[in-house]
Amino acid sequence: GENVEQHPSTLSVQEGDSAVIKCTYSDSASNYFPWYKQELGKRPQLIIDIRSNVGEKKDQRIAVTLNKTAKHFSLHITETQPEDSAVYFCAASSDQGGKLIFGQGTELSVKP
Amino acid sequence: ETGVTQTPRHLVMGMTNKKSLKCEQHLGHNAMYWYKQSAKKPLELMFVYNFKEQTENNSVPSRFSPECPNSSHLFLHLHTLQPEDSALYLCASSHQLDQETQYFGPGTRLLVL
Repeated sequence: GENVEQHPSTLSVQEGDSAVIKCTYSDSASNYFPWYKQELGKRPQLIIDIRSNVGEKKDQRIAVTLNKTAKHFSLHITETQPEDSAVYFCAASSDQGGKLIFGQGTELSVKP
Repeated sequence: ETGVTQTPRHLVMGMTNKKSLKCEQHLGHNAMYWYKQSAKKPLELMFVYNFKEQTENNSVPSRFSPECPNSSHLFLHLHTLQPEDSALYLCASSHQLDQETQYFGPGTRLLVL
């Protein structure tokens, strides 16, 4: 079955710096890769997703890149702000059952 | 924020109690999910329902019993839980089962004494 590894588990950056979170997956059939943000005490919310037919997707300060050959995908946050502080989860899913497998989460702390 | 609701938001129960968690989605989705989120652990998928039919039971102990009476409602019945079952239980829904964005509820914070 699918296995998703996420790194780092914690990340601390200064406000204005960039943050990068990386995930690897094992199932080459996976073709949907969402990223969720979970603020303290709140529900996970989708911030961006990418499908296997594209290599990069951008939404304002957030971008996701996908390398299907290497089976890894990354979240890039530029010009970080304190409100970006949260736990970020990557996930992978294939069209065989659609089950989302989540990474372990990255706790991002943006210091003002 | 109100697309997927869960009640109660907090629950404290003894190991011999029976309680139920409720999830309701107002998004017209066909698939619903139960996840367990423990401290320092990834989201663990427990159950998946598609058009009211259970399609996934991720080796969950029988002290957790799901029920899906219709596509909008999902329950998790709890019986003789253990302290290690204390966690945040999240419900989610998606339009279809495959490769779809999942929308999460606020969760029920459960403490088993």
